[in-house]
Amino acid sequence: DSGVTQTPKHLITATGQRVTLRCSPRSGDLSVYWYQQSLDQGLQFLIQYYNGEERAKGNILERFSAQQFPDLHSELNLSSLELGDSALYFCASSVDRSSYGYTFGSGTRLTVV
Amino acid sequence: GNSVTQMEGPVTLSEEAFLTINCTYTATGYPSLFWYVQYPGEGLQLLLKATKADDKGSNKGFEATYRKETTSFHLEKGSVQVSDSAVYFCALSPNNAGNMLTFGGGTRLMVKP
Repeated sequence: DSGVTQTPKHLITATGQRVTLRCSPRSGDLSVYWYQQSLDQGLQFLIQYYNGEERAKGNILERFSAQQFPDLHSELNLSSLELGDSALYFCASSVDRSSYGYTFGSGTRLTVV
Repeated sequence: GNSVTQMEGPVTLSEEAFLTINCTYTATGYPSLFWYVQYPGEGLQLLLKATKADDKGSNKGFEATYRKETTSFHLEKGSVQVSDSAVYFCALSPNNAGNMLTFGGGTRLMVKP
């Protein structure tokens, strides 16, 4: 157990729907990162939050949004889902903005049908 | 921008063989470098890291040396085991504001008994 908890583990939904993925960071970690892993795009950075504030944005679609709450858990919202959004979505956390690597959760596998 | 290039897999080896997975990077300044490992059905785990030139990261028999002159961070292990079968990702983090990781495409290693 890495200490980073992601729920749900699996999600199957239809095109056009909206889903919310949840992440609880490791105890003491202030930063949360979201990544998308797909067969054709590899691991793509989506967004980072640090202590409740958005810190960096990557290749995140406008249909996607995220937030980090006062208790430091984070949610990634995906709307108007398309078949191409099917992927593994990983959350990771780190203590601060130093470069010592992340701790990853085990991911949420999203299947859009 | 920053980028990481890894050798394409899969790499298939017999148990006790020597392993090298090549990784080269493009980045401004002096990034930190990482190797992550992903076992089937799991998230990414930090395997080793190096934060400055000529540093050698090591863990579980794996090693990688930060070579600034060749912009490389090749992963090596002297004697692989079946349990090392996984996907290996090379990554970099620029040592400036933020802690976004840029990942290579991943290399699948298959070790046969």
